[in-house]
Amino acid sequence: DAMVIQNPRYQVTQFGKPVTLSCSQTLNHNVMYWYQQKSSQAPKLLFHYYDKDFNNEADTPDNFQSRRPNTSFCFLDIRSPGLGDAAMYLCATSRDSQIGYEQYFGPGTRLTVT
Amino acid sequence: AQSVAQPEDQVNVAEGNPLTVKCTYSVSGNPYLFWYVQYPNRGLQFLLKYITGDNLVKGSYGFEAEFNKSQTSFHLKKPSALVSDSALYFCAVRPPFSGGYQKVTFGTGTKLQVIP
Repeated sequence: DAMVIQNPRYQVTQFGKPVTLSCSQTLNHNVMYWYQQKSSQAPKLLFHYYDKDFNNEADTPDNFQSRRPNTSFCFLDIRSPGLGDAAMYLCATSRDSQIGYEQYFGPGTRLTVT
Repeated sequence: AQSVAQPEDQVNVAEGNPLTVKCTYSVSGNPYLFWYVQYPNRGLQFLLKYITGDNLVKGSYGFEAEFNKSQTSFHLKKPSALVSDSALYFCAVRPPFSGGYQKVTFGTGTKLQVIP
């Protein structure tokens, strides 16, 4: 089945130690998103890629970076995690970002910062 | 600026009873509206969407939603609730296409508890 896969499902990192979360998709969608979700709150969009074009949200901290080496893969890099970065990180895809296409979400990576 | 309101943090309903999860929105023009469900420790899962056409939209797992333009609402409904419907539900809105990127705005979520 076509899907969005996130690895790992659970990640523990130390304060200040860089961490990378990965996402892959078999849907061949143009758009890939990274969201941060805390405590069952609304997902907060960090950035998205439309094909290779990177789009950062204005309030996303510089501590968060992303890479999309090809259509299928996207990575979220947290350069120096703080305690406040502990959250669920959701990857999502959609066919397009401009009209009414729904998003398909991966299962998420729960990040713990110690 | 667009916004979505889910006025109820939690909705409790007895199994077998009809359920409604409320959503109102504010956006210029005719929006694209979505409902997603999230089970514990999982990602969001798409349920249904309104793009255009019939105001009553049917989706997955027996859910439906009615687009009401005059009331700017898009309430999620199901005729008979199941215990397995217990989850967190998010309403989302995207403004109509006007060229360029259109951001999706999510509501704060409503926790649905179906009581056996």
